[in-house]
Amino acid sequence: GDSVTQMEGPVTLSEEAFLTINCTYTATGYPSLFWYVQYPGEGLQLLLKATKADDKGSNKGFEATYRKETTSFHLEKGSVQVSDSAVYFCALLNTNAGKSTFGDGTTLTVKP
Amino acid sequence: NAGVTQTPKFRVLKTGQSMTLLCAQDMNHEYMYWYRQDPGMGLRLIHYSVGEGTTAKGEVPDGYNVSRLKKQNFLLGLESAAPSQTSVYFCASTEGSLTYEQYFGPGTRLTVT
Repeated sequence: GDSVTQMEGPVTLSEEAFLTINCTYTATGYPSLFWYVQYPGEGLQLLLKATKADDKGSNKGFEATYRKETTSFHLEKGSVQVSDSAVYFCALLNTNAGKSTFGDGTTLTVKP
Repeated sequence: NAGVTQTPKFRVLKTGQSMTLLCAQDMNHEYMYWYRQDPGMGLRLIHYSVGEGTTAKGEVPDGYNVSRLKKQNFLLGLESAAPSQTSVYFCASTEGSLTYEQYFGPGTRLTVT
């Protein structure tokens, strides 16, 4: 079946540091890939997405590139802020089945 | 446009009690989902629906039932609650054909004692 493996957390960085959160997947067919963010006490919100190989999703300074050859979708940001502190989830969508598979989430804390 | 709403926000049940969680969306989305979120385990799919009147089992369906009588509503029922069902429950919806971005509700925190 489909699966998503995320870099284990928690991750603690200083403000303005570079962020990478690794995500790899296994899936049949050609899934769409997503990063969601969850702030304390809230539901998940879409951060960015990519629907085919070599697509780059970007939003709010975050980027991730769909790499079919390495089955990866790593999240990066060049300079994190305290407000980026949250839990980040990598997910894939199996468009044939119409349902998503989520990673376990990575907690990011950014200190001033 | 409220997006996805969930009722209630919090609930405490005793073992063996029953309850229904309500999810409503006002975006005319075809697909709706119920997930549970437990510490260190990400989101696990309980049941989902690909349209009004349809339901399907997800990864962890045991102990739950669902109904989708109206397109905008997706109900999750616990017939006989168990402590193992203590969790945060999230509902989500997606348009389902042109885009598969999921929109999540704020969650329901359920404690079963």
